[in-house]
Amino acid sequence: QSALTQPRSVSGSPGQSVTISCTGTSSDVGGYNYVSWYQQHPGKAPKLMIYDVSKRPSGVPDRFSGSKSGNTASLTISGLQAEDEADYYCCSYAGSYTFPYVFGTGTKVTVL
Amino acid sequence: EVQLVQSGAEVKKPGESLKISCKGSGYSFTSYWIGWVRQMPGKGLEWMGIIYPGDSDTRYSPSFQGQVTISADKSISTAYLQWSSLKASDTAMYYCARLRYSSSSRVLDVWGKGTTVTVSS
Repeated sequence: QSALTQPRSVSGSPGQSVTISCTGTSSDVGGYNYVSWYQQHPGKAPKLMIYDVSKRPSGVPDRFSGSKSGNTASLTISGLQAEDEADYYCCSYAGSYTFPYVFGTGTKVTVL
Repeated sequence: EVQLVQSGAEVKKPGESLKISCKGSGYSFTSYWIGWVRQMPGKGLEWMGIIYPGDSDTRYSPSFQGQVTISADKSISTAYLQWSSLKASDTAMYYCARLRYSSSSRVLDVWGKGTTVTVSS
């Protein structure tokens, strides 16, 4: 079971939008609507930002949105702010009885 | 408030054993899976395994099968991750997280702050 593929880094200026992709297969991302996204600041635990492809937990700004097309899920941050600079990881359910979850490789978001 | 409180940082020598803990509070501990996630220094998140404290059903990621043991004591709402013989390559941060699992949702919604494990001679 291979890790989902994310770009190593993306960057944008304050106020701009950035999109992070998360590419898997029909056995994980493409097969289920159970993709979640986590934000991790240096030295901190991951924080849930998006779940079930596009749902946002309470307290997460609506600048964060999620979507999916085929085997690729995406996280978009609109109106980029300095505090959005962090690492972001996707995660998908994979349905395997052996082990049913897989993380993405992680993306560093830099606010220029 | 739903919380997962992890045990403190550990410094061990190669070959030693170790058991770290993750105590849940503010919710029904036996009704949610607990996942363990490894993060090696400067690296990404890796699933290690999951356990359902209600019946101790446990699944391991293939990379960690046979390398660690995941267990839980539901009487004290605590999950554990243990090693019988540590290696230097086990040096990492280890997170536990609550896995919300239903017919319409699969998500790690609450995370512990992590336990740092350092293995060095």
